[in-house]
Order: sequence, then C-alpha cells, then structure tokens
Amino acid sequence: NIVLTQSPATLSVTPGESVSLSCRASQSISTSIHWYQQKSNESPRLLIKYASQSISGIPSRFSGSGSGTDFTLSINRVESEDFSIYYCQQSYSSLYTFGAGTKLELK
Amino acid sequence: EIQLQESGPGLVKPSQSLSLTCSVTGYTITSGYDWSWIRKFPGNKMEWMGYISYSGSTNYNPSLKSRISITRDTSKNQFFLQLNSVTTEDTATYYCARYSPYYGYNYFDYWGQGVMVTVSS
Repeated sequence: NIVLTQSPATLSVTPGESVSLSCRASQSISTSIHWYQQKSNESPRLLIKYASQSISGIPSRFSGSGSGTDFTLSINRVESEDFSIYYCQQSYSSLYTFGAGTKLELK
Repeated sequence: EIQLQESGPGLVKPSQSLSLTCSVTGYTITSGYDWSWIRKFPGNKMEWMGYISYSGSTNYNPSLKSRISITRDTSKNQFFLQLNSVTTEDTATYYCARYSPYYGYNYFDYWGQGVMVTVSS
C-alpha cells in the first residue's frame, strides 16, 4: 500500500493568513495526487488534481505543488469558508489511498 | 447534473451484514467510469473499499476482500455494497463516488452525501 502522511493534523489560523498543508507519500508517485476539501456534514469536493492542476469552479487562492513523494496544498489568504478538513489521495496505485487529513480551524 | 445518493439502514448488529444502495441520476452507470464505495471512520480516516466498473468487473481493497461484495442493478441505475460479518470497527460514514479510470482523469469527481452506519447491539 502507498501510505500518505499529512501534516500537520490540525492547523489553527486566522482569516487572511496564507497556509501550506503537506502530504508525503511512502514511495514516489510522480504527480498522481489529488486534494479534496470536506466541510462539516458535506461530501468531499475535488480541489486540485495531479498535484497542481486547477479545477473549474474552485477559487484561485487554492494551489498545489510537488512531485515524487512531497506535495503541498497552499491556500492564499484563508477565508472563513475554508475552515474544513483537507485530504490528499493517490491514484498511482490501483489500491487508492487517502491521507489522514489536515483540519484547518479558526484560531 | 450527475447525482449519487446512498440509502440503507443506519444501525446494524455485530456479525450481521451491512447493505447499502447508491442510486445514480444524470449518468448511466454502464456508460463508463468506475463506481466506488468509500468510508470515513470516526476520527476522519478515509478508506476506499472497492468499485464496480461500467462493464461489471469489480476490484476490492485487499483488507476487505473476504467480506465485501459490490453488485449492481442496471435497470435501476443503482449499485450496492454488502459487507459481511461486521464489527464495531465498521462504524463509519459510507459514501458512494464516481471514479474516472481514464488517463489524466484518475480521481473521484462525484460523491454522494454519505450515510452514517453504526454497528452496535
């Protein structure tokens, strides 16, 4: 199994701050990583595909980077609607796996 | 608009089987894509459980292989999850989702709202 390790587990920020969330893979997975946002009582929503490719309808303050084993989701100037859980997911292996999530909370 | 909706009992007794339905509207499940079940445990861990493809083939997470079955009813545009011999460790929110197996599009693009299932006597 490809294990995805997300850090930090929780990130406390104030609106307007810019943040970076990390996802590290247990082996090289090229850019086969995708990021999802899950708000409370909602289903996950695709934010970024293939490490850095944008998704239609997603605000431009969300961006992704990385390749190989280290990936980053960046949020430029966090807004109140961004407080939720963020997951990375790999599609390099047909045994799809998710990271444990990073909870972005209001400081 | 493509929509997925899970349904099924919210409470299952230990050792029994968990059975859920995913009803799909806006897309015919035999036209393409893989149709997955994913669960989220208390504490937020997410686990992909398996899928049934548009052609009817299945692929399961090896950690569940002896207990899981995913089937479909093409006339109703539904697919199903059966998980046998459940324990309290199977308590989770269960989601159905569409996965694109096509090169350059390998991610979950549509999800149901989820159904919470508790395993308890």
